[in-house]
Amino acid sequence: AQSVTQLGSHVSVSEGALVLLRCNYSSSVPPYLFWYVQYPNQGLQLLLKYTSAATLVKGINGFEAEFKKSETSFHLTKPSAHMSDAAEYFCAVNLSGKSTFGDGTTLTVKP
Amino acid sequence: DAGVIQSPRHEVTEMGQEVTLRCKPISGHNSLFWYRQTMMRGLELLIYFNNNVPIDDSGMPEDRFSAKMPNASFSTLKIQPSEPRDSAVYFCASSPRGKASYEQYFGPGTRLTVT
Repeated sequence: AQSVTQLGSHVSVSEGALVLLRCNYSSSVPPYLFWYVQYPNQGLQLLLKYTSAATLVKGINGFEAEFKKSETSFHLTKPSAHMSDAAEYFCAVNLSGKSTFGDGTTLTVKP
Repeated sequence: DAGVIQSPRHEVTEMGQEVTLRCKPISGHNSLFWYRQTMMRGLELLIYFNNNVPIDDSGMPEDRFSAKMPNASFSTLKIQPSEPRDSAVYFCASSPRGKASYEQYFGPGTRLTVT
C-alpha cells in the first residue's frame, strides 16, 4: 500500500521568504516520489522527482526536495518565494506505475 | 512536441445527456491515465491503461462511466447518463512507461458542468 500526507492545505508566505511545503509518505518498499505544481486552469506539471539516485533533488523554478527515509518525508523548499510561485502543489508516490497524490497545498505569496 | 491534448476544454450539458471526453497522449507514451478533480474530493484516479489495455478501473465511480483506448494515440471517457454530481475537471495524463520511476504528463483538462 502507498499513500502521501501533505501537512497544511494552505500555506502563506511573503515574497522573498522561505517556502516549505511538507509531504510524508507511507510505503512498504522504497518509493518513487514526485512534486507537481498546478497553476489556475491548467493541468499538473512536474517540479521534481526522487528515484533513489540522490537524496537531495533539484527541480525547476528553484525548488528542491530532500528525501529522508528515517522521517518518511519528502518536503519541498525554495529559499526565496516569488509571486509567480502562487499555485497548488501536489506530492505523489508511485510504486507500480500508478501514482497516489496528496490532497494538495495551496501556496499564497504576499507582496 | 505537442503535449497531451484534451477536447473539449469546456462542456456544459443537461442532466441525462451523454458526454464524451477525448484525449490524445504524447506520442510514444504507452501509459494513459484519467483523473477527476473536484474541490470536495481532490484529484481521483478513475482508470489507467498500459499499452491500450485497462489495468485498473477501480476508481470508476459507477457503471455510468466507461473508458476506451482503441489505439495508442486516442482514448475516450464517456458518461451516460450524466448527473450534476459529475461536474468536475477531468484530466488525462500519459507516461512513457508503466513504471514507477516515470512521471506523468497532464493535459489541460476538460471542465464539465452538468445542469
